[in-house]
Amino acid sequence: DAGVIQSPRHEVTEMGQEVTLRCKPISGHDYLFWYRQTMMRGLELLIYFNNNVPIDDSGMPEDRFSAKMPNASFSTLKIQPSEPRDSAVYFCASRLAGVLGEQFFGPGTRLTVL
Amino acid sequence: AQSVTQPDIHITVSEGASLELRCNYSYGATPYLFWYVQSPGQGLQLLLKYFSGDTLVQGIKGFEAEFKRSQSSFNLRKPSVHWSDAAEYFCALRSNDYKLSFGAGTTVTVRA
Repeated sequence: DAGVIQSPRHEVTEMGQEVTLRCKPISGHDYLFWYRQTMMRGLELLIYFNNNVPIDDSGMPEDRFSAKMPNASFSTLKIQPSEPRDSAVYFCASRLAGVLGEQFFGPGTRLTVL
Repeated sequence: AQSVTQPDIHITVSEGASLELRCNYSYGATPYLFWYVQSPGQGLQLLLKYFSGDTLVQGIKGFEAEFKRSQSSFNLRKPSVHWSDAAEYFCALRSNDYKLSFGAGTTVTVRA
């Protein structure tokens, strides 16, 4: 099992540019989560999907952020336009449905916006 | 509203000594509780979880945690720390809608 795969691992971009982060969940998992980790705010849930449908996006900071899950094996988190305060590590996680399912985290994408 | 508090931001422990990391939670229903570890530059790895039943939970890497409902706590322990245990540790609570709320984390430094 390859685990949750994220790409790129590191991204450096300039303010105003569009950034797209990618995630491939573990095969067969029904839920997918996007988190952001910063020193100031810790780990925050941005959005999560169930069976490719967005369930709760209340953590998305503003309209510059959008997430999609076109199929069960792929999700994207897009920031347009990016700002320096978006610099953070972005994690993707997935889990099976059911009460006892645990979340498995990807290695994260470290985003730096200059 | 749910919340998780990790009172200790940073703990330094000698190799071979015991370790205890504190976690307190606030939640109106039965809590599902987790401990994750994050090594530098890595994602989060699950150490152990509590759903119900035995309040002493065993995890990977020699860690255990004890759920105490009366104290709203879920403290993590290890009897003898190894240098490889240096990392950041997160306590998390899962609500009924499967969302995880994380504590601020405790960084553990292991000295030789």
